[in-house]
Amino acid sequence: GAVVSQHPSRVICKSGTSVKIECRSLDFQATTMFWYRQFPKQSLMLMATSNEGSKATYEQGVEKDKFLINHASLTLSTLTVTSAHPEDSSFYICSARVVGGLATYNEQFFGPGTRLTVL
Amino acid sequence: GNSVTQMEGPVTLSEEAFLTINCTYTATGYPSLFWYVQYPGEGLQLLLKATKADDKGSNKGFEATYRKETTSFHLEKGSVQVSDSAVYFCALSEDGTASKLTFGTGTRLQVTL
Repeated sequence: GAVVSQHPSRVICKSGTSVKIECRSLDFQATTMFWYRQFPKQSLMLMATSNEGSKATYEQGVEKDKFLINHASLTLSTLTVTSAHPEDSSFYICSARVVGGLATYNEQFFGPGTRLTVL
Repeated sequence: GNSVTQMEGPVTLSEEAFLTINCTYTATGYPSLFWYVQYPGEGLQLLLKATKADDKGSNKGFEATYRKETTSFHLEKGSVQVSDSAVYFCALSEDGTASKLTFGTGTRLQVTL
C-alpha cells in the first residue's frame, strides 16, 4: 500500500517557540492532505484539509494563524504550530489521498503521527 | 452532526477467541463506514469498508456489516491472533471517497497466548 511518513516522530519545545511537522507521501502523489489532532483516549479530530497549490480549509474552531499549513508539492505538506503553548501538546497525524480512476485510490493513507510536547 | 461511538477498551482476549468490537453511528444521509487499524508505531491502515446498507466488508478474517436499521457497523473476527493486537478505529464519511472522516475514539485490542 501507499506509504506516508511524518517527521519528527516526537518533538519537545519551549512555550512560545514554533514547531514544524512534515508529512510526505513516499510512493505516490497526493492531491489532498489532511491534518488531524488526537487527544488521549479521544478520537482523531480533523483540523484542516489542504490541496496542493491552494490554501488549506480549516475546520470550525481551528485557528489558521496558529496552525499554518503549506502544501507546496504533491508529496509534501507541512504543519507549523506557531507560538506553541502547553495546551497545544497533542498527537498530530497527517493523511494523504489520491483521487483516481480506481476505487482503491479513494481512501486516505495515514502517517504514523507526531507527538508534540510543549513545556 | 455526524458522530461515531465505539466500545471502550482495552479488550483483552486469548488467542483463537472470538472478537467483537461494537460501533454505532449518527449521520445525516447515507454514509460510508470504515474500520481502520493502527499497529504500534505505524499509521492507521484501512482494514475494511462498506458503502451501503447490508454491505459486508471483509479483510484478513475481519468482517463488519453495515446495519442501517440499528446504525451499527460492528467488527468481528472468529479467531484472533497475537498479531491482531492493535488499536481499531471505526469511522464514517458522508461520501464514498473518504474525503472527510469522522472517527470513533478507538478500541485497543490485546491478544495473549
